[in-house]
Amino acid sequence: GESVGLHLPTLSVQEGDNSIINCAYSNSASDYFIWYKQESGKGPQFIIDIRSNMDKRQGQRVTVLLNKTVKHLSLQIAATQPGDSAVYFCAESFTGGGNKLTFGTGTQLKVEL
Amino acid sequence: GAVVSQHPSRVICKSGTSVKIECRSLDFQATTMFWYRQFPKQSLMLMATSNEGSKATYEQGVEKDKFLINHASLTLSTLTVTSAHPEDSSFYICSGVGSGTSGGVYNEQFFGPGTRLTVL
Repeated sequence: GESVGLHLPTLSVQEGDNSIINCAYSNSASDYFIWYKQESGKGPQFIIDIRSNMDKRQGQRVTVLLNKTVKHLSLQIAATQPGDSAVYFCAESFTGGGNKLTFGTGTQLKVEL
Repeated sequence: GAVVSQHPSRVICKSGTSVKIECRSLDFQATTMFWYRQFPKQSLMLMATSNEGSKATYEQGVEKDKFLINHASLTLSTLTVTSAHPEDSSFYICSGVGSGTSGGVYNEQFFGPGTRLTVL
């Protein structure tokens, strides 16, 4: 099936550059979105979240942008560092959904020295 | 943030045996816990949702008799993979949502570190 031979999309950036990781979500009813970072062999780590009543939210070195019109989410990482190398997942949920999350396919970020 | 632990972190078992994985919320009461499965280079797939004191709700395609979930207390949920086969080899991750000991409510899911299951 579709899962055979899957490989994660990869984004390679130079240390110090900005990274932009994109995500398309599927459910137009989703009103809460989260970005997670997952290092090899570990569980997902919360990075930043955003609710559907906002289109931008900033954290420390990270910014999430939400475009509800085209159901698109992006994560911007400023001054990317080697420690940022990981797989990044977006996740969506909706009010009344019992806090269930649906994860996107993920992007492997590789930071080159 | 709140902490979730899993035990064991790695387990290798023979085909046909059963394996139990524990998920604990260490500093908060998890009224709801989720179990996910993740195959190599793939995303997390939700297997089931478990609410303390009630039966788990399984996602479509997940066999409830094969993946037994118990959420007997506000700090512990267990996943038992019964009669494990090589195709069950995967990375199993739990998460918890609930209220903190201070009484605040978290709607964020806090994830455990995962359990790597290898079935020979």
